[in-house]
Amino acid sequence: GQNIDQPTEMTATEGAIVQINCTYQTSGFNGLFWYQQHAGEAPTFLSYNVLDGLEEKGRFSSFLSRSKGYSYLLLKELQMKDSASYLCAVYTGGFKTIFGAGTRLFVKA
Amino acid sequence: DSGVTQTPKHLITATGQRVTLRCSPRSGDLSVYWYQQSLDQGLQFLIQYYNGEERAKGNILERFSAQQFPDLHSELNLSSLELGDSALYFCASSVAGSGVQETQYFGPGTRLLVL
Repeated sequence: GQNIDQPTEMTATEGAIVQINCTYQTSGFNGLFWYQQHAGEAPTFLSYNVLDGLEEKGRFSSFLSRSKGYSYLLLKELQMKDSASYLCAVYTGGFKTIFGAGTRLFVKA
Repeated sequence: DSGVTQTPKHLITATGQRVTLRCSPRSGDLSVYWYQQSLDQGLQFLIQYYNGEERAKGNILERFSAQQFPDLHSELNLSSLELGDSALYFCASSVAGSGVQETQYFGPGTRLLVL
């Protein structure tokens, strides 16, 4: 079966660092995406990993370990505007992308 | 602005009715996806089209149907509407090549309220 697991909710403090984990078990793997979604708005693309390792993009970094079926999104210097849901999605190939249920992040002052 | 447009933005209708949601993908994108998102729920994949043909199907009800036209815009038809169909409906598009070209760009969504 296809399964993507993320924590349902996380809370962190403004200025801090938070790591959002994602584990997956899918029939194929051709890349992993992270999207950000503010409440009531459309998801927006954050990052894409296809090879093992860390991809850094400003305050956001994404890590992938294909052998472990594991990824994380690292957010540094948290800001209030980072309060949103973060969606992990696996592209399994054959034009198929599977989304996790998302992690709702609350950033408090 | 992702470049994906959806109309209408809001729709209020009654149970038993039929509605059509419209989506225009980004210029150059061949693939269109439809998702349903109920309040505080994750994205539920409904259906995907690629260059006019159905490519993948998710948890789409038989009361729902979709198509992609030669100009690549897509329509999602919802019929015999029920209260539980009230949700945000997102359309997304991608180049649909491989790898990072599978990045999906989402439209602003249509908020459907069934009374």
